[in-house]
Amino acid sequence: DVKVTQSSRYLVKRTGEKVFLECVQDMDHENMFWYRQDPGLGLRLIYFSYDVKMKEKGDIPEGYSVSREKKERFSLILESASTNQTSMYLCASTWGGDTQYFGPGTRLTVL
Amino acid sequence: EDQVTQSPEALRLQEGESSSLNCSYTVSGLRGLFWYRQDPGKGPEFLFTLYSAGEEKEKERLKATLTKKESFLHITAPKPEDSATYLCAVEETSGSRLTFGEGTQLTVNP
Repeated sequence: DVKVTQSSRYLVKRTGEKVFLECVQDMDHENMFWYRQDPGLGLRLIYFSYDVKMKEKGDIPEGYSVSREKKERFSLILESASTNQTSMYLCASTWGGDTQYFGPGTRLTVL
Repeated sequence: EDQVTQSPEALRLQEGESSSLNCSYTVSGLRGLFWYRQDPGKGPEFLFTLYSAGEEKEKERLKATLTKKESFLHITAPKPEDSATYLCAVEETSGSRLTFGEGTQLTVNP
């Protein structure tokens, strides 16, 4: 079975803090994705990566950056957290263009 | 631009009352259409992938079908444990990005 894990289920941070969200997959998938999910807005793509050290902007990259130093690990970084980044963050991975498998999500609250 | 519209937004059924969820899509070239189930506070769980019009897939009480413009998720004799939000997503032939609909929130009452 594909397994995608995320470092935290729940996270509470203060405005201005630097926040790291980590995602690990165990299926040697090439492609990894970060989404945020908000009521009424659905899932929106923040960043994705096709390979180690490669990254592409999604639809809403502002205020975020990513890091992919190893194939199995994809990190999302909030450089200076703001209250409008309070959301559910979901990581996904896939081999090539096939089915994306999601992690359990991180519910981030920025106070 | 790819578009995915799901209807209804919310659906309440009695246990055993069959129904269908709709996913309409606009895409220049369809590589695949995906159905996911999402429970509150959790990540989406993969259900089906459909690749071409006329294709059907089944899993327990769920059956997904695909035409050139829409997909249906048929739920036969649902149970309360089928309550969840069902998400539809499309991938076009030019890339591996998914475009998601906003989902249908299904509630099955005992």
